[in-house]
Amino acid sequence: DIQMTQSPSTLSASVGDRVTITCRASQSISHWLAWYQQKPGKAPKLLISKASSLESGVPSRFSGSGSGTEFTLTISSLQPDDFATYYCHQYNAYSMYTFGQGTKLEIK
Amino acid sequence: EVQLVESGGGVVRPGGSLRLSCAASGFTFGNFGMSWVRQAPGKGLEWVAGVNYNGGTTTYADSMKGRFTISRDNAKNSLYLQMHSLRAEDTALYYCARGGWGITASDFWGQGTLVTVSS
Repeated sequence: DIQMTQSPSTLSASVGDRVTITCRASQSISHWLAWYQQKPGKAPKLLISKASSLESGVPSRFSGSGSGTEFTLTISSLQPDDFATYYCHQYNAYSMYTFGQGTKLEIK
Repeated sequence: EVQLVESGGGVVRPGGSLRLSCAASGFTFGNFGMSWVRQAPGKGLEWVAGVNYNGGTTTYADSMKGRFTISRDNAKNSLYLQMHSLRAEDTALYYCARGGWGITASDFWGQGTLVTVSS
């Protein structure tokens, strides 16, 4: 099974900050990685697929990069609406899909 | 508008069975792989199972293999998850998601149905 290790598990930041969340895969997944945002009591929302493709309607302050085993999600200038939990998710074709353990982004 | 509405959750005793359903609308259901993802209370997301567009190929997380069965009825625009031999650790909110099969990320999610396994 492919394990996804996400860091940090908690991140405290202020509005306007630039933040980066990292996700590492236990083996290469090419670019088959997605990032989700989840707010309390809500379903996850897809932000980025294929490591760096921004979904329609997602603000451009969100960006993703990486390939192989190392990936990052960057929020260039935090907005109040961005405080949530973020998950990476590998969907390497036809194998067992896995999520990272999540990063809770809190207001400092 | 894409909509996914889960149903069938509830309280079940350990060792029991439950069948979840997901009614899809707003897109051509038969063109998409589908999946189930769960989230235990206060915990992270866990992928459960996926099925291809016509139901011919399925994949499961290791801890669900042999106990859970994912299926679909494209004529009814519906996705199912049959769960047997339920354990306390299966207690979670179960989400239906479009995609999450093959090389497609899950781009739309339902609001989930809660399964509680308790004696």
